[in-house]
Amino acid sequence: QVTLKESGPALVKPTQTLTLTCTFSGFSVSTSGMRVSWIRQPPGKALEWLARIDWDDEKFYSTSLKTRLTISKDTSKNQVVLTMTNMDPVDTATYYCARFLGAFDIWGQGTMVTVSS
Amino acid sequence: QAVLTQPASLSASPGASASLTCTLRSGINVGTYRIYWYQQKPGSPPQYLLRYKSDSDKQQGSGVPSRFSGSKDASANAGILLISGLQSEDEADYYCTIWHSSAWVFGGGTKLTVL
Repeated sequence: QVTLKESGPALVKPTQTLTLTCTFSGFSVSTSGMRVSWIRQPPGKALEWLARIDWDDEKFYSTSLKTRLTISKDTSKNQVVLTMTNMDPVDTATYYCARFLGAFDIWGQGTMVTVSS
Repeated sequence: QAVLTQPASLSASPGASASLTCTLRSGINVGTYRIYWYQQKPGSPPQYLLRYKSDSDKQQGSGVPSRFSGSKDASANAGILLISGLQSEDEADYYCTIWHSSAWVFGGGTKLTVL
């Protein structure tokens, strides 16, 4: 069974750096063709893609957020980590990680992050 | 202008069909893209429904009923998610997405009401 679970702080202060971890099971991110993305959703708003990391360690970022984002993977721990610097209240959202294997076929349940002083 | 535009809301009756559109920005040719569709119900993550590029390049999500289907309207430069035989459980938000310029782009979503 394939599962993904997001973890990280529920509350961060403005200007702080957010670190989120996606811990998964049932697949290996080093398998050819495997990709994991981070996607967020502000309350009541649409989905917004943030970043992607591939099995071969290729990385892609949202154009509007690329200067603030870093994605990495730890194959031995079955984890993908996203850091986002200089957090702002507009970054308040539910953050999802999702596996891409032909489509975003499996999603985590999401973790809500609130940015407030 | 947004890359992908979806109507904010759509209402339809049980048993009827609903056609949800995802219009690509002028200059971005719908014919060259796989369009992916996701369904999201309140309090839950999105779920993959299907992807459609052409009749020879399409995929149904695992366990997704055949009453969900994809198509394109080239004249409108749009992808279409057709839901036939609407059921109350189809009431949800629906998002389209494409891989464009090395990034995933999501539409703004359509809230489908079944009443």
